[in-house]
Amino acid sequence: NAGVTQTPKFQVLKTGQSMTLQCAQDMNHEYMSWYRQDPGMGLRLIHYSVGAGITDQGEVPNGYNVSRSTTEDFPLRLLSAAPSQTSVYFCASSYLGLAGVGAYEQYFGPGTRLTVT
Amino acid sequence: AQSVTQLDSQVPVFEEAPVELRCNYSSSVSVYLFWYVQYPNQGLQLLLKYLSGSTLVESINGFEAEFNKSQTSFHLRKPSVHISDTAEYFCAVSEGTGGFKTIFGAGTRLFVKA
Repeated sequence: NAGVTQTPKFQVLKTGQSMTLQCAQDMNHEYMSWYRQDPGMGLRLIHYSVGAGITDQGEVPNGYNVSRSTTEDFPLRLLSAAPSQTSVYFCASSYLGLAGVGAYEQYFGPGTRLTVT
Repeated sequence: AQSVTQLDSQVPVFEEAPVELRCNYSSSVSVYLFWYVQYPNQGLQLLLKYLSGSTLVESINGFEAEFNKSQTSFHLRKPSVHISDTAEYFCAVSEGTGGFKTIFGAGTRLFVKA
């Protein structure tokens, strides 16, 4: 199993450019999510999905779009990059736990370091 | 709204001393609780988790955490730390009502000194 894979590892964008961060998992996890990590702020949830065709917003969704057409893939799109989106982005996946309780532990990808100039 | 507060941003401690990293969460419903560790320039790894059952959970490298429902806390402890425990530690909470979100705290940087 490859686990959770992310591409690219590094990316530099100019303000206003768009791009897609790719994420794939081969563990048949229902739950997938995107986080951004900034110094002193921990990991903040951008968007998440509980299954193919189902997505929802997290804590900081503005400026990002997601879709989930298959169980395996969960790409994150930056519509018009801004310097405030300079960050390290992590994709994660897990199984769903009991209804009404939560998702189990997250399996993380290696991260994408994005710089917007 | 669901939130996680890690009360200390940095914790310096001498080798072989005990340490406690504090985590409080806000939720009135059943949750799953986690501690993750991130070593320098690496990704996040699960350290331990509380899903149900015994409120005291342990990791393979000597850390333990206790779920206290009345105080909505999940503090992480180790009786004797090593230099190799230097890392950033994140507390996380997963709540099923309103969408299965997993929310992380801001992190606590543990620095173990010789």
